[in-house]
Amino acid sequence: DQQVKQNSPSLSVQEGRISILNCDYTNSMFDYFLWYKKYPAEGPTFLISISSIKDKNEDGRFTVFLNKSAKHLSLHIVPSQPGDSAVYFCAASADRGSTLGRLYFGRGTQLTVWP
Amino acid sequence: NAGVTQTPKFQVLKTGQSMTLQCAQDMNHNSMYWYRQDPGMGLRLIYYSASEGTTDKGEVPNGYNVSRLNKREFSLRLESAAPSQTSVYFCASSNRFGTGAYGYTFGSGTRLTVV
Repeated sequence: DQQVKQNSPSLSVQEGRISILNCDYTNSMFDYFLWYKKYPAEGPTFLISISSIKDKNEDGRFTVFLNKSAKHLSLHIVPSQPGDSAVYFCAASADRGSTLGRLYFGRGTQLTVWP
Repeated sequence: NAGVTQTPKFQVLKTGQSMTLQCAQDMNHNSMYWYRQDPGMGLRLIYYSASEGTTDKGEVPNGYNVSRLNKREFSLRLESAAPSQTSVYFCASSNRFGTGAYGYTFGSGTRLTVV
């Protein structure tokens, strides 16, 4: 049973526009949420994270929003650039218990940014 | 450069052959993980090791074994390879970021084909 879900397998956006990638989760024990970016033939790399005590975190063109009541988070990329074309994975972790440190991943969203 | 090193990068096996995928990290992380990535399935956890001397099954452990050789090294073994094990395998190690979140550092992957 997937605890982290990315329901859109793909997203296509024009360069300069906003990209919005969505993620839902089911486990209310999650404390941290992260986004990873993956280019072909490379391992995923960390992009941005947010703590469950916050509702927004910004890093340059990337902003992650968290809605705890809806168990939903989103990644906004503004403006989108062709180099942002990659698979984006949403992940979550619980800061306690036997699974401390373990990340639960969604299935990923392929973002394509076209000129 | 510090990070997670996986060997080999590519491998072709015949059905029934065995092999070991190697992973080493030099960041003094306690936890290490093996994932496989298949189209449309995202990252699925095979096995993990929360600390040196311990290993646990993930979501898809069947057909695999692991060894946490020491704090640095975590190997994945396929005893009798099957075509269903054709995949890209990623090793990762876990650390707590300055933000408090746990996050993974991934290796660059091993692309395995079983014919």
